[in-house]
Amino acid sequence: AQSVTQLDSHVSVSEGTPVLLRCNYSSSYSPSLFWYVQHPNKGLQLLLKYTSAATLVKGINGFEAEFKKSETSFHLTKPSAHMSDAAEYFCVVSVNNQGGKLIFGQGTELSVKP
Amino acid sequence: ETGVTQTPRHLVMGMTNKKSLKCEQHLGHNAMYWYKQSAKKPLELMFVYNFKEQTENNSVPSRFSPECPNSSHLFLHLHTLQPEDSALYLCASSQDQGYNSPLHFGNGTRLTVT
Repeated sequence: AQSVTQLDSHVSVSEGTPVLLRCNYSSSYSPSLFWYVQHPNKGLQLLLKYTSAATLVKGINGFEAEFKKSETSFHLTKPSAHMSDAAEYFCVVSVNNQGGKLIFGQGTELSVKP
Repeated sequence: ETGVTQTPRHLVMGMTNKKSLKCEQHLGHNAMYWYKQSAKKPLELMFVYNFKEQTENNSVPSRFSPECPNSSHLFLHLHTLQPEDSALYLCASSQDQGYNSPLHFGNGTRLTVT
């Protein structure tokens, strides 16, 4: 069975410091992986996606994620946090054998301190 | 603009009321989705439509009734809801129901059942 685990429910960083949001997945097949961001009172917005091309994926707003098959991880990083990055982040896995069904992680709330 | 518009943004209804949520996408996508987002829970997939045909009903109670008249519009008809149905209801669309097609979300309808 496919699953996704976001290892931290809440991460707090200071503005200008690096961001690391951790995600591990479990899949018997080659997965597609996504990160979404949700700001308060908004829907989810796609940050980036991995679909078996380059293992280092660059997304919007300076975020990037690296697919590491050996570690079954897809951690999200950003070199320097901005106040506007404060939001909820969701790691999502999708596999072809389940008709494209998306499996969402529980979410990580990112707080950015001035 | 997200390309996916949901109305209303907020809805308060009694348990005996009948109301409808509306979703419209302007992206030319073929698949549309309803998700339920409750506090402290992962996103729950409710229904999926692909080319106007329902392809997934995730064991949703019959008090929720979806309708997809065309590929651009999706409705969720509500009747005799329960207080535990209070949540953020998110509509999404994707190019198709493939496993590497990212979702585009609306901003949601915040539903409160009294």
